[in-house]
Amino acid sequence: GQQVMQIPQYQHVQEGEDFTTYCNSSTTLSNIQWYKQRPGGHPVFLIQLVKSGEVKKQKRLTFQFGEAKKNSSLHITATQTTDVGTYFCAGPPRTDKLIFGTGTRLQVFP
Amino acid sequence: DSGVTQTPKHLITATGQRVTLRCSPRSGDLSVYWYQQSLDQGLQFLIQYYNGEERAKGNILERFSAQQFPDLHSELNLSSLELGDSALYFCASSVIAQGVLDEQFFGPGTRLTVL
Repeated sequence: GQQVMQIPQYQHVQEGEDFTTYCNSSTTLSNIQWYKQRPGGHPVFLIQLVKSGEVKKQKRLTFQFGEAKKNSSLHITATQTTDVGTYFCAGPPRTDKLIFGTGTRLQVFP
Repeated sequence: DSGVTQTPKHLITATGQRVTLRCSPRSGDLSVYWYQQSLDQGLQFLIQYYNGEERAKGNILERFSAQQFPDLHSELNLSSLELGDSALYFCASSVIAQGVLDEQFFGPGTRLTVL
């Protein structure tokens, strides 16, 4: 079946260090969405990318959608303790289901 | 606050029992989605409803069923509960039918514990 994998599964960084999570789909995605889930919280939408090769920035966060629309990345510059949480990518293949990635749990040490 | 409400917040029950989880979508959202998140696991899509009709099905067990009512609230029914059904159940809503092209707004979740 369709799978969306994320690496790494866990990442511990010192505050101020950069962080990147990678998302890889076994099938082409029509778009990719990114969500953040704080510990004990619910997923919160961050951004959606639609075009092949698209890059979007939100302050310290940079999101990229691969040329083949099968992979994506989220890069955080100079992490802060408020960045702690699990980051999920999610994408619909050519059906109407949103398939969530396995998630990357980020821990930031002050 | 996403505007999506879920009740109850916590539910503890025994194996073999039946429970109902309730979700009210954001005002104006016609699509409701149900997800299951087991401990330290990702989000598994269960089912989607749009304006009262089932639109997409994911990895939903036959013991589980859902419906969306005319006022757009939705209920997820879990029966013959097993220990492995213990999880966080999230409801999400979005504006239009295609849903997957829209951001989804998640509720706070219902934590189900089956003993």
